[in-house]
Amino acid sequence: DAKTTQPTSMDCAEGRAANLPCNHSTISGNEYVYWYRQIHSQGPQYIIHGLKNNETNEMASLIITEDRKSSTLILPHATLRDTAVYYCIVRAPHGSGNTGKLIFGQGTTLQVKP
Amino acid sequence: GAVVSQHPSWVICKSGTSVKIECRSLDFQATTMFWYRQFPKQSLMLMATSNEGSKATYEQGVEKDKFLINHASLTLSTLTVTSAHPEDSSFYICSASYNSGNTIYFGEGSWLTVV
Repeated sequence: DAKTTQPTSMDCAEGRAANLPCNHSTISGNEYVYWYRQIHSQGPQYIIHGLKNNETNEMASLIITEDRKSSTLILPHATLRDTAVYYCIVRAPHGSGNTGKLIFGQGTTLQVKP
Repeated sequence: GAVVSQHPSWVICKSGTSVKIECRSLDFQATTMFWYRQFPKQSLMLMATSNEGSKATYEQGVEKDKFLINHASLTLSTLTVTSAHPEDSSFYICSASYNSGNTIYFGEGSWLTVV
């Protein structure tokens, strides 16, 4: 599985957009980009995933560069409850010999401040 | 999203005893489940991949005889920590593949303290 690089920590003002970058320069053609977050002492929460097109759901938007070597997770209006560790993970789909497992890096600790 | 539930949420056991943690997919069938361990201030570490009806696949360095995994049905996988020691104290988290494996959902986690 390709590895990802994320900043260790970021701050964001409450109500503003939080833009979390992720580099995945060795991503393979069939690997998806997944984002999860983990609030202290809880299991990770699925946020969004994409292959090459930009994606949006009720939680966030995912912008993937055309060469797919990097992506940005956007939380449009950050709240204090968005304070968490955010993980960017590249993952091959389940099947064809792949288990589809998620390998976690160190993630970005996002601190949303009042 | 799909719901994955773990039980117990926390457990304290004596050194040398065994403890079982259950992972259930409540509203979908999961042919594949994953078990992770997380120590304080560290990231999640994948321990094993649990496949329904077959043996689990363990990551390098994880003792399969110490961490017994059983995935007897499409909605239940169990992790048994055998002969637990204080260094096994950790946060254990399971996850399950949903929607043909496109999305993986996680349980709430189980805190194990070995005294």
